[in-house]
Amino acid sequence: QQPVQSPQAVILREGEDAVINCSSSKALYSVHWYRQKHGEAPVFLMILLKGGEQKGHDKISASFNEKKQQSSLYLTASQLSYSGTYFCGTEAYTSGTYKYIFGTGTRLKVLA
Amino acid sequence: GAVVSQHPSWVICKSGTSVKIECRSLDFQATTMFWYRQFPKQSLMLMATSNEGSKATYEQGVEKDKFLINHASLTLSTLTVTSAHPEDSSFYICSARRGLADTQYFGPGTRLTVL
Repeated sequence: QQPVQSPQAVILREGEDAVINCSSSKALYSVHWYRQKHGEAPVFLMILLKGGEQKGHDKISASFNEKKQQSSLYLTASQLSYSGTYFCGTEAYTSGTYKYIFGTGTRLKVLA
Repeated sequence: GAVVSQHPSWVICKSGTSVKIECRSLDFQATTMFWYRQFPKQSLMLMATSNEGSKATYEQGVEKDKFLINHASLTLSTLTVTSAHPEDSSFYICSARRGLADTQYFGPGTRLTVL
């Protein structure tokens, strides 16, 4: 089952903050975050592993709540370049193998 | 490091023809490669997972006889869309990774249009 992301879409003004959530129905081994611009392949942002952790670089950070099977991506002081569609990729152990599934996506638009 | 290339970037073909898409990891050995397709404004849908030297594992609903995947080496995987039809038109993206705890590195994608 595909992880659900919220919100589906958000519009920000430059400098504003945003939080994107990713929720899975399965126990997760890892969560990966990507940003995709129109017509391009996804670009890796960060990976969070089982054990519950937080990561961040520059003004983008993320957390992984293993118990709740949720991850959140935090964008602070957004820039125009942050516009795009954000996907979480989740990896879960299912039926004897690790399965990788992308979330539903969150479209983010940053306005000047 | 961790660069993945795809070829071709764009392809337009007539209905009924076959199209091969190559995915290469340029500076690392990929134990696993993934093939996705993406329709406009939708998420990436995993088609199949392939490990070097073994048969690909296809996701439910993906026809293995229509989408032939070959993972000949640790740096090359190919996807062949056989007897392509207009409904196969899509953005096909491959990714590769070194191991289980590694992230996936994506190729630039191939836009297929079947007339």
